[in-house]
Amino acid sequence: NAGVTQTPKFQVLKTGQSMTLQCAQDMNHNSMYWYRQDPGMGLRLIYYSASEGTTDKGEVPNGYNVSRLNKREFSLRLESAAPSQTSVYFCASSEGGSVSYGYTFGSGTRLTVV
Amino acid sequence: DAKTTQPTSMDCAEGRAANLPCNHSTISGNEYVYWYRQIHSQGPQYIIHGLKNNETNEMASLIITEDRKSSTLILPHATLRDTAVYYCIVRPNYNQGGKLIFGQGTELSVKP
Repeated sequence: NAGVTQTPKFQVLKTGQSMTLQCAQDMNHNSMYWYRQDPGMGLRLIYYSASEGTTDKGEVPNGYNVSRLNKREFSLRLESAAPSQTSVYFCASSEGGSVSYGYTFGSGTRLTVV
Repeated sequence: DAKTTQPTSMDCAEGRAANLPCNHSTISGNEYVYWYRQIHSQGPQYIIHGLKNNETNEMASLIITEDRKSSTLILPHATLRDTAVYYCIVRPNYNQGGKLIFGQGTELSVKP
């Protein structure tokens, strides 16, 4: 099925460990995004990529890095995980540009840092 | 981007229309109103968007006031599966990198 695929779905890390969250979309979308959602809160934008080859900071970029590997893939890296990064991470994609048909979100990665 | 204000929670009886309000008094001329919903920790789902005319699709209707300072999302016949958090977002519909900034949303509970 067409959409946004995130891996892994669940992950437990120890403080100080690193990991990369993977995201891929097969809709030929130009723009991709990473959000985090803490319990009982709305989504907050971490980083986004308006088009292949570009990335920009969102609302809460500290502690994260991103890579737009190609048009399909956008990864999020935690270099040294902290308990404050325990959250659900959502990747999304959109057409971008002047035509907007809404964002398509992945099913999320549930990350616990102990 | 303009800010939005939504009620924290609302209830609706199954089969009745659910009307979810949103205030966006500082909306500017090039900003669209978008609605998304999130069902129990799933990824948010796009519902509808509009600029100044009322819009309808298979999921919902969007009514925007003439001054564009508020809008209402209408689910015409709510079902239990419509229980979710509904987010009203305003943003320009051009290439700013497509930032979509979420607020707290309205938690809609559809009751039998």
